[in-house]
Amino acid sequence: DAKTTQPNSMESNEEEPVHLPCNHSTISGTDYIHWYRQLPSQGPEYVIHGLTSNVNNRMASLAIAEDRKSSTLILHRATLRDAAVYYCILITQKLVFGQGTRLTINP
Amino acid sequence: GAVVSQHPSWVICKSGTSVKIECRSLDFQATTMFWYRQFPKQSLMLMATSNEGSKATYEQGVEKDKFLINHASLTLSTLTVTSAHPEDSSFYICSARGAGSGYTFGSGTRLTVV
Repeated sequence: DAKTTQPNSMESNEEEPVHLPCNHSTISGTDYIHWYRQLPSQGPEYVIHGLTSNVNNRMASLAIAEDRKSSTLILHRATLRDAAVYYCILITQKLVFGQGTRLTINP
Repeated sequence: GAVVSQHPSWVICKSGTSVKIECRSLDFQATTMFWYRQFPKQSLMLMATSNEGSKATYEQGVEKDKFLINHASLTLSTLTVTSAHPEDSSFYICSARGAGSGYTFGSGTRLTVV
């Protein structure tokens, strides 16, 4: 499975936008880019996914670079409930998690 | 949306006993289920992949005789930790995938072996 690289941690303030980067330079043409997040003591929760085009849903936006070697998860207005570990994953047949980014939101 | 129910949410057992964890897809048929283990402050580690009606495929380093996985129906998979020891204490999480659907995770089971 292709690897992803994310910063270990990021910090932001409440009601400000957050941009979470992910590098996936070895991505193949058929790999979907998925983002999940995990709150403490809970199972991961689906956030968003995409293949080539940018995607929006009620939770977040996903911006995918033209060469697909990187992507950015955008939380438009962070709340305290968005504090979690965010995982960027390339899925072929199974879901393998990297270390993720621990996002802290300051009130 | 797709819902996966995992039980129990926590369990404490004595060393040497076995513990069974259930993972059910409530509103879809899960053709594939995945089992993960997560230690504190670490990421999820994939243990095994199971397809309905066939033997599970274990990741390297995971003892198949210790972590028994059964996926007998399209809505139920079970993980049995046999002869549990304190080092098996961890957070176990299942994930289910149906045809054409994404991956849905259970809420996890915290196992403590004393």
